[in-house]
Amino acid sequence: SAVISQKPSRDICQRGTSLTIQCQVDSQVTMMFWYRQQPGQSLTLIATANQGSEATYESGFVIDKFPISRPNLTFSTLTVSNMSPEDSSIYLCSVAGDSYNEQFFGPGTRLTVL
Amino acid sequence: AQKVTQAQTEISVVEKEDVTLDCVYETRDTTYYLFWYKQPPSGELVFLIRRNSFDEQNEISGRYSWNFQKSTSSFNFTITASQVVDSAVYFCALSGQAGTALIFGKGTTLSVSS
Repeated sequence: SAVISQKPSRDICQRGTSLTIQCQVDSQVTMMFWYRQQPGQSLTLIATANQGSEATYESGFVIDKFPISRPNLTFSTLTVSNMSPEDSSIYLCSVAGDSYNEQFFGPGTRLTVL
Repeated sequence: AQKVTQAQTEISVVEKEDVTLDCVYETRDTTYYLFWYKQPPSGELVFLIRRNSFDEQNEISGRYSWNFQKSTSSFNFTITASQVVDSAVYFCALSGQAGTALIFGKGTTLSVSS
């Protein structure tokens, strides 16, 4: 299994600002995913981030709003830009395990935008 | 298109009762993977089980059991002799190709009272 850490664990931000969330994995993984979970809702995929290529965004999510970096096989960042209260959510990173039919999740970053 | 339906939004039971959480999925893939996750009030996602489409054997793990039926596209989860600690949101999820992102159902909130 993979152990995933995220920073920060939670934050309260002002509208119009940006926050960068870090995701660190204890092993090298090819595929990383970023999900959003709005209050009381299910998880929705934001984008898939593979090392060495541009992130692939799902419908409704754009790079200008959620830029992603994937500089190596153990690390990724997601930035939530120009935040509004609607961005208040839990943001989770996830990785596919070695056997590719496992999915491990980080503890999440709980973001509140005022 | 792939889809996961968890028709039960909320379930309330009394301790020691058995409870079944339903999950119905849609996919055109021949190979796919089904997952169950638990999300307690603390917010982290706890992996419970993964099943691939070629393995229809039911599985039992302690008080937990899973019934996978391809004929009805269902992957139901039963908790036997429920406990207060089982109170959480439970998500069923589907993955197409190995290592791809998960599609989540809306979740079922289980409340177990003493």
